[in-house]
Formats: sequence, C-alpha cells, structure tokens
Amino acid sequence: SQQGEEDPQALSIQEGENATMNCSYKTSINNLQWYRQNSGRGLVHLILIRSNEREKHSGRLRVTLDTSKKSSSLLITASRAADTASYFCATASGTYKYIFGTGTRLKVLA
Amino acid sequence: SAVISQKPSRDICQRGTSLTIQCQVDSQVTMMFWYRQQPGQSLTLIATANQGSEATYESGFVIDKFPISRPNLTFSTLTVSNMSPEDSSIYLCSATGANYGYTFGSGTRLTVV
Repeated sequence: SQQGEEDPQALSIQEGENATMNCSYKTSINNLQWYRQNSGRGLVHLILIRSNEREKHSGRLRVTLDTSKKSSSLLITASRAADTASYFCATASGTYKYIFGTGTRLKVLA
Repeated sequence: SAVISQKPSRDICQRGTSLTIQCQVDSQVTMMFWYRQQPGQSLTLIATANQGSEATYESGFVIDKFPISRPNLTFSTLTVSNMSPEDSSIYLCSATGANYGYTFGSGTRLTVV
C-alpha cells in the first residue's frame, strides 16, 4: 500500500512551542498535501507541495519534501491552542486519487 | 477551491437499514471521491465516483454494499447498505478540479445500533 506513515502518532506541546510532524511514503509521487482535521470533522487543506519542490511556506506552516527519502515534514511555529487537531499527509502518484497517512494527533496546551 | 455541502452531518441508524449520503459541489469538478474514516483512524478511499458511469471501487469495497451515483459533475451520493455496527464511521466526500485543489465535505458521522 502507498499509505503514508506519520510520526509521531501523538504530540503534546506547550503553546508557543514549535510542532514538527513527519510523513513517510512508499512510492513515487506527483505531489503531497497536508490536511488538518478538528474533532472528526471534515478535512481542511493546509498546503500542497509538488515533487519538484523542496520547501513551502504558508503563514506559520513550513513543509519540506525529500523525494530521495520519500518523506515530508510539517512544522507549525509558535503553536496556539487552536492548532490542536489531527494532521494528515496525503500523496498522489499520477492521478487525482490521494492516499492518506496515519495521522498525527497534536495537542497544544495553553 | 470548490465548496462541498454534505448531508446528513450525522445519523443514528438501525442495523439492516440503508443510509444515503449526498454531496453537492458549488462548481463543476473533475473528480469526486468517497472516503471512510473509522474511529481514531485515517481516511480510507472507498471509491472514485465517475460521472455517468459506475464508480471505481478500491480493494475491500463493493458496489452492493456501497452503491454510488454521480448523475452530473456537481452531485454524488453514497449509500451504505444493510448496515451493521461495523459500518459506524465518518464518511467524507471530496472533489477536485482542473483549476483548484482538493476539497472535502464536512463529513457524515454514522452510528449503527
């Protein structure tokens, strides 16, 4: 299966700290996306990084992609309590069909 | 990106019955998909909803259990048939188009009793 694996599975940090979560996948990809999910609701798209990109920023988010290692990381800087959620990576390899990683549950303590 | 309206947002159903979930997109999209998310788990793709033809199912999912319709480019339904407690999950539709990224509906939380 191409499903990505994310680590850590759960992460608990203090407000203001940075949170880093990692995603590894198994096959070549066209792009990788990160999503946030609050309390079992719908997913919110955070950022898309293409296979020819190495780093992308969006506000407090920074995503890196290392295709040689088949891995990506999501960094949230200066975390807030509102960042508490589950974060998923999703990969696509040639079609619009995305395969989701196992997810990281982030808890930001006020 | 497109906006997807998904309904119902939640339902509690008796075992042996069926539930149909609807997704309406506010603009024409290229692809629509249905996912299942079991409690505490990641998303698993059920099928790709093809406009005007039978859906393409992933391994482990069959049309008799999860019939899908997509009569036009902006609307799709997923039916969970002959439900059992093991079908209790969140079901999500998603869509993507040529000019924008991937969008999800808000999900349907299904509980089968």
